[in-house]
Amino acid sequence: DIQMTQSPSSLSASVGDRVTITCRASQSLSGYLNWYQQKAGTAPKLLIYAASTLESGVPSRFSGGGSGTSYTLTVNGLQPDDFATYFCQQSYITPSTFGQGTRVEI
Amino acid sequence: EGQLVEAGGGLVKPGGSLKLSCAASEFSFTKFTVNWVRQAPGKGLEWVASISASGNYMFYAESVKGRFTISRDNAENSVYLHMSSLRVEDSGVYFCARDHDHAYLTFDLWGQGTLVTVSS
Repeated sequence: DIQMTQSPSSLSASVGDRVTITCRASQSLSGYLNWYQQKAGTAPKLLIYAASTLESGVPSRFSGGGSGTSYTLTVNGLQPDDFATYFCQQSYITPSTFGQGTRVEI
Repeated sequence: EGQLVEAGGGLVKPGGSLKLSCAASEFSFTKFTVNWVRQAPGKGLEWVASISASGNYMFYAESVKGRFTISRDNAENSVYLHMSSLRVEDSGVYFCARDHDHAYLTFDLWGQGTLVTVSS
């Protein structure tokens, strides 16, 4: 199975900050990398797919990048609604696997 | 947009069985692959199983292979997960999730989840 490692596991930030989360895979994903946001007690929400494609309805302050084995999620101008846990996920091959999550808190 | 609603979770003893359901509405259900993804309490996400739009192809995580069976009824717009030989480590919230129509194994619509607790 492909192992996904996110860093950091948690971070503290303020409203208006630029935040970057990194996800590394144990093998190349050829861009098949997705990002989700999850708030406590709710289902995950798809933010970005195929490494850099913004899902419909997701604010443009979210962006994704990277290639091969290394990918990033960036939030430009953190908003109060963005305090949540973020997961990366590889959709390159079955079984699909997720990173362990990054908690973004104040 | 669409909606998915899970049901069937509950408390079951180790070794027991449980059948989860996922009812879809407000989208063309028969065109989409559907998945089950679970989350142990306070933990990360684990993909469990997927079933193709036709129902002809099913895939499973190694951790559940031989114990869980995914199925669907396109006439009823529903997907099911039959779980047997349950273990304590199978406990968690089970979500059904739809594949994105432009990206395989990319989950653009999720249900609210149903809680499964395996305990003696």
